[in-house]
Amino acid sequence: AQSVTQLDSHVSVSEGTPVLLRCNYSSSYSPSLFWYVQHPNKGLQLLLKYTSAATLVKGINGFEAEFKKSETSFHLTKPSAHMSDAAEYFCVVSPIAGKSTFGDGTTLTVKP
Amino acid sequence: EPEVTQTPSHQVTQMGQEVILRCVPISNHLYFYWYRQILGQKVEFLVSFYNNEISEKSEIFDDQFSVERPDGSNFTLKIRSTKLEDSAMYFCASRDGLAGEVGELFFGEGSRLTVL
Repeated sequence: AQSVTQLDSHVSVSEGTPVLLRCNYSSSYSPSLFWYVQHPNKGLQLLLKYTSAATLVKGINGFEAEFKKSETSFHLTKPSAHMSDAAEYFCVVSPIAGKSTFGDGTTLTVKP
Repeated sequence: EPEVTQTPSHQVTQMGQEVILRCVPISNHLYFYWYRQILGQKVEFLVSFYNNEISEKSEIFDDQFSVERPDGSNFTLKIRSTKLEDSAMYFCASRDGLAGEVGELFFGEGSRLTVL
């Protein structure tokens, strides 16, 4: 069984300040973890993925995430938010085969 | 860059009508999925498809739903008799089947279904 908990439904930051979107997972096997972003009225775009290689993963648009097995976490960070980062972010856990499970999503608002 | 394409982008239908949503996955991918997202809610798994058969389905995926890969290219989701609560964005996704590795899901842009 697997599950994902995104700890914040909404996060609001000022432009130029750091972003932290939190994700905890539960899995009965070594999971692969992903972050996807969804801009308004758009599809889902992959930001980054962890698949049992380096625990610190770099993605597109300056985003990073660190896999911490002891904390069962995969938090998404960015040092400096940009207005274009405003979107919905989904943490996803996937097995080797079978369905991927989405977190409930975190809405990121970036204030000027 | 290869991409998943979905048609139509938006469909409006009357309750009780049949709807077919179409998807063209990335050509060398082996796993295919449908997810849906009701407005303002989370993305929910509907069904996965591998080797020409359903490999897993959720409790949402009842007898009103069916999937098909009719020609080795398209991957369709059919809703036989639509209900108001079927109104949602439906996302098709595919991924490759590299042994021992979990590939990312590649999503289409979605098909918005509105049931009146």
